[in-house]
Amino acid sequence: ETGVTQTPRHLVMGMTNKKSLKCEQHLGHNAMYWYKQSAKKPLELMFVYNFKEQTENNSVPSRFSPECPNSSHLFLHLHTLQPEDSALYLCASSQDPRGGATDTQYFGPGTRLTVL
Amino acid sequence: QQQVKQSPQSLIVQKGGISIINCAYENTAFDYFPWYQQFPGKGPALLIAIRPDVSEKKEGRFTISFNKSAKQFSLHIMDSQPGDSATYFCAASMQNTGNQFYFGTGTSLTVIP
Repeated sequence: ETGVTQTPRHLVMGMTNKKSLKCEQHLGHNAMYWYKQSAKKPLELMFVYNFKEQTENNSVPSRFSPECPNSSHLFLHLHTLQPEDSALYLCASSQDPRGGATDTQYFGPGTRLTVL
Repeated sequence: QQQVKQSPQSLIVQKGGISIINCAYENTAFDYFPWYQQFPGKGPALLIAIRPDVSEKKEGRFTISFNKSAKQFSLHIMDSQPGDSATYFCAASMQNTGNQFYFGTGTSLTVIP
């Protein structure tokens, strides 16, 4: 596998379910991100991890819980979601910009989430 | 408040024509402006990027024009091809203040054969 992979690609869940999204990057990067992509809206940055430490949390509801066990893996744990949380969830990675490296973010294909 | 405003929302161009997508920003501290291309079922991929010390950057058929005084930048796709049909996002960031990128709302481009 190369680049950034995400599983599952599609997920349908009820409002009372608990599920997790997984992201893995094979690029040797140190920063990883979760974004939410909704139709006709800008990409919304949810969480940022640099060197496994969370550095950004853009006022995301607590029903979304990130986990970054190492610099290659990122999870998004979901529980008691609402129908308006249905969207494409994208994972991305980059070199740590604080180190003066490239700003390019490499995105995975996303997980299409539907909350019933 | 939306940091980066993108237009148009959708665009239909004949094969061989020029596609133009525009973005505007307010924060003069932005110093990096990438464009991303997204095909259905895929994540966005970096297409081309510019820094404000130049007014134009060209890579193949893709050109970014940057107007610092107007706080605007645009993507031009020359000789548009059906394979260019995708959604295009502009973005802006400040390099040394963390990992925050501000994205536009996207432009859905359709190139008709």
